Amino acid sequence: GAGVSQSPSNKVTEKGKDVELRCDPISGHTALYWYRQSLGQGLEFLIYFQGNSAPDKSGLPSDRFSAERTGGSVSTLTIQRTQQEDSAVYLCASSLAGSSGELFFGEGSRLTVL
Amino acid sequence: AQSVTQPDIHITVSEGASLELRCNYSYGATPYLFWYVQSPGQGLQLLLKYFSGDTLVQGIKGFEAEFKRSQSSFNLRKPSVHWSDAAEYFCAVGPTSGTYKYIFGTGTRLKVLA
Repeated sequence: GAGVSQSPSNKVTEKGKDVELRCDPISGHTALYWYRQSLGQGLEFLIYFQGNSAPDKSGLPSDRFSAERTGGSVSTLTIQRTQQEDSAVYLCASSLAGSSGELFFGEGSRLTVL
Repeated sequence: AQSVTQPDIHITVSEGASLELRCNYSYGATPYLFWYVQSPGQGLQLLLKYFSGDTLVQGIKGFEAEFKRSQSSFNLRKPSVHWSDAAEYFCAVGPTSGTYKYIFGTGTRLKVLA
């Protein structure tokens, strides 16, 4: 597709379950970001991937959160043992490496933990 | 540490009125600055960006922003607001020194009265 694609768009889960959120970046974009958007909190940086370099995981809030990027393209954000405070919109963005330019965002995955 | 402050959580203006959204940043060097807009249920779209040069930058949808180094500000303006401008607006700085992390403000939600 032409843009950043995220799935699922909505996910409702029970507390304690694991969830996986997927991001398919724009073809050719080697930089990929995950952000979390909570009500009134703005965008919270979670993790950044750049090519084959080690990811910047400095924003992951706990060890229940992990992410991987396979083949330098698709990324999966995994949240284990979900808690109610994990409820948020998870946004993925991609960009051209080193461009210092625009981030292209997907429409997000809304996660609700009951 | 780098930070971005958007002091106004909500702003309401009448259609046709002028608009100014405030953004202040904390960054040691000359930053790269961005304004994004998020319509309901959508991802973020870039309005404009500042890297260097002319401190008044023009963006899409009739928006402009002015970089003022002395005030560490990058305020967004529009001379005449349209009802379709109702959305949430995010100011961002990045990528930050030594990383490719973009830091976002908490956003300003704009309501437009008919």
